[in-house]
Amino acid sequence: DADVTQTPRNRITKTGKRIMLECSQTKGHDRMYWYRQDPGLGLRLIYYSFDVKDINKGEISDGYSVSRQAQAKFSLSLESAIPNQTALYFCATSDTSAGSVYGYTFGSGTRLTVV
Amino acid sequence: KNEVEQSPQNLTAQEGEFITINCSYSVGISALHWLQQHPGGGIVSLFMLSSGKKKHGRLIATINIQEKHSSLHITASHPRDSAVYICAVRFGNEKLTFGTGTRLTIIP
Repeated sequence: DADVTQTPRNRITKTGKRIMLECSQTKGHDRMYWYRQDPGLGLRLIYYSFDVKDINKGEISDGYSVSRQAQAKFSLSLESAIPNQTALYFCATSDTSAGSVYGYTFGSGTRLTVV
Repeated sequence: KNEVEQSPQNLTAQEGEFITINCSYSVGISALHWLQQHPGGGIVSLFMLSSGKKKHGRLIATINIQEKHSSLHITASHPRDSAVYICAVRFGNEKLTFGTGTRLTIIP
């Protein structure tokens, strides 16, 4: 099983629909993130959470909301999807302590298309 | 304004060649990450480093804190190394700032 699992892997939805992307992890990391990737741009941070009671906006949070249901689960919602939210979405967890080798673990991504 | 710059944007090389990908950043950082994105889209962490040099198999990552520069080297490149390589930096807090990536193609 993957350390960070995203569902669904692919989704096509219509403009105006509500959609939820889910992320679960078995790494035991406290910190979780949602990123968006668009062609020609670096990954951009949507929301992040340092623990269950701590939720923070990233640089492009407008139009999105999140829920940290448990340490292992972090969901991203698009309340009313619009076409410019078509992108590849990544969930990630981090362990950036001194002994950490890689720091971040990424999910496999969710390719979302809004038509 | 993107504070992380990668070069080149695209790189095509013959199998067996030594590959270098560069990353420059604007201000002091607490750590730098090198990531690999496969053609299918998945992202894998290769290295996290804050000083010196790290090696894993044919991959070597170096960082020069004074010059605000890091390089990722691939020795004896192979077609399976074809991917997008992404540099990301952490400016003191937990949030990463990402470069736009270097698309590497290794021709057999």
